[in-house]
Amino acid sequence: ETGVTQSPTHLIKTRGQQVTLRCSSQSGHNTVSWYQQALGQGPQFIFQYYREEENGRGNFPPRFSGLQFPNYSSELNVNALELDDSALYLCASSPGQDNSPLHFGNGTRLTVT
Amino acid sequence: GQNIDQPTEMTATEGAIVQINCTYQTSGFNGLFWYQQHAGEAPTFLSYNVLDGLEEKGRFSSFLSRSKGYSYLLLKELQMKDSASYLCAPERGYQKVTFGIGTKLQVIP
Repeated sequence: ETGVTQSPTHLIKTRGQQVTLRCSSQSGHNTVSWYQQALGQGPQFIFQYYREEENGRGNFPPRFSGLQFPNYSSELNVNALELDDSALYLCASSPGQDNSPLHFGNGTRLTVT
Repeated sequence: GQNIDQPTEMTATEGAIVQINCTYQTSGFNGLFWYQQHAGEAPTFLSYNVLDGLEEKGRFSSFLSRSKGYSYLLLKELQMKDSASYLCAPERGYQKVTFGIGTKLQVIP
């Protein structure tokens, strides 16, 4: 059983640029959630996708957007990057059932300079 | 806000027992997860409580009081490898999981 994989592992971008982060969910999982984790903080919920539809959003501006594809993989897009966007971005998949734990990928470390 | 409160840091001795407390807002509450996160790694699932009471799983146990908005994670027979951050994560509604800042536990010899 393949776990959650994210790419790339590390990325350096310049303020104002755009970035796309990718996530392949675990086999059999139809729900993907994205989190932002700043250094020394807990993961902050960005949004969740269930069967290709956005199914909830945290307190993040519209320049954070996403997609989920028919195979349940997902992308996180961030436009007009700001220095404060520097963080670890975590993708988590789950089988779409109540009480099911989230299974996290190893994350993408984004640095904005 | 989510108002998830847990201590930011704790230190305990190898072989001892440590309890990490967490309080949270009860509105919309469904259940509560505990995750472990080693430095530089992804969070990994430890436990899930939906009913009041204690759930035991090996050296780790988790307790929930829904009416009080309170949970704790109990770690017994501490090992050096237990040094990590422990994240309290209430679930509100369908798969909507929010995380606290985490408690950084240092286990010393």
